[in-house]
Amino acid sequence: GDSVTQMEGPVTLSEEAFLTINCTYTATGYPSLFWYVQYPGEGLQLLLKATKADDKGSNKGFEATYRKETTSFHLEKGSVQVSDSAVYFCALSRTNAGKSTFGDGTTLTVKP
Amino acid sequence: EAQVTQNPRYLITVTGKKLTVTCSQNMNHEYMSWYRQDPGLGLRQIYYSMNVEVTDKGDVPEGYKVSRKEKRNFPLILESPSPNQTSLYFCASIMTGVGVTEAFFGQGTRLTVV
Repeated sequence: GDSVTQMEGPVTLSEEAFLTINCTYTATGYPSLFWYVQYPGEGLQLLLKATKADDKGSNKGFEATYRKETTSFHLEKGSVQVSDSAVYFCALSRTNAGKSTFGDGTTLTVKP
Repeated sequence: EAQVTQNPRYLITVTGKKLTVTCSQNMNHEYMSWYRQDPGLGLRQIYYSMNVEVTDKGDVPEGYKVSRKEKRNFPLILESPSPNQTSLYFCASIMTGVGVTEAFFGQGTRLTVV
């Protein structure tokens, strides 16, 4: 079945540092890939997505590229802020399917 | 405003006392889903629904029931809660289309079973 493996956390960075959170997946065919963010005390929000190979999703300075050859969707940001402190989830889902598979989540803490 | 509304946000109950967590969406989505979030285990899908009266088990359905009598509502039912169901629960409403799938999450329900 489908699975998503995320880089283990927690991750602690200083403000303005470069962020990478690794995500790899196992799935047949061509799933859509997502990064969700969960701020303290809130539900998950979609951060960015990519629906086909070589697509790059981007939002709020975050980017991730759908790499079919390495089955990866790593999240990057060039300069993190304290307000980026949150839990980040990588996920995949099938087009026209209600079933999504999530990674375990990576907790990011950014210190001033 | 597009919304997924869960109630209650917090609930403490005793073992064996039936409870229902409600979920409602205003986006006319066909797909809805329930997840539980536990430390170190990420999000695990409990049940999902493809449309009214159509539901299917996710990865961890034991001890839960769902119903989908109307498109907008997808309640989660714990007939006889046990302490191992203490968790943070999220309802999601899923937008689907050609090349598009996106989940919209509720705020979460923190359940404690003592």
